[in-house]
Amino acid sequence: QKEVEQNSGPLSVPEGAIASLNCTYSDRVSQSFFWYRQYSGKSPELIMSIYSNGDKEDGRFTAQLNKASQYVSLLIRDSQPSDSATYLCAVKLWGGGADGLTFGKGTHLIIQP
Amino acid sequence: DGGITQSPKYLFRKEGQNVTLSCEQNLNHDAMYWYRQDPGQGLRLIYYSQIVNDFQKGDIAEGYSVSREKKESFPLTVTSAQKNPTAFYLCASSPEGGETQYFGPGTRLLVL
Repeated sequence: QKEVEQNSGPLSVPEGAIASLNCTYSDRVSQSFFWYRQYSGKSPELIMSIYSNGDKEDGRFTAQLNKASQYVSLLIRDSQPSDSATYLCAVKLWGGGADGLTFGKGTHLIIQP
Repeated sequence: DGGITQSPKYLFRKEGQNVTLSCEQNLNHDAMYWYRQDPGQGLRLIYYSQIVNDFQKGDIAEGYSVSREKKESFPLTVTSAQKNPTAFYLCASSPEGGETQYFGPGTRLLVL
């Protein structure tokens, strides 16, 4: 059974601080990992994808992957009130063809002005 | 503009009624997907299609049906067999290889 686990939150972070969002997954052969941001009532929007161990940076966002520990995280630097949303971690099984992603339930992030 | 469109934004279903949700994309993506999202829950895969005239069941296909007659279109029918259809329905597509998925704006289905 493929599982993706996230702390549901809410995670409250002061404006300007670093927000750290975590995700663990159960399937050791998973190879592709994605972070989506979802505002209330809206559809998910892709933020980052990561495929290799280590860090990947894009603007204020950094994704970190540790396959040995089956752990992927998202760091948001200089957090802004507009970053307040639910962040979904998604995992795609390697060699699984074009079937869907497995999603976590999401972490609700609140940036306090 | 390229993108994924879903209609309607809101849909109301009466007991025993079948309803169809539309999903269209002009991104020339090969693969298309339907997910369901319940409050406080992650997305769950209903059906997916890699190519025209072919589709596969996802994790929660019971009570749903799809068709893929055109590359651009992947409509989802919620049948009367789906006893708990109230949810937010999301369509997604991805280019060949099925890696990154992009989502449409969603359809919220409510039962009268």
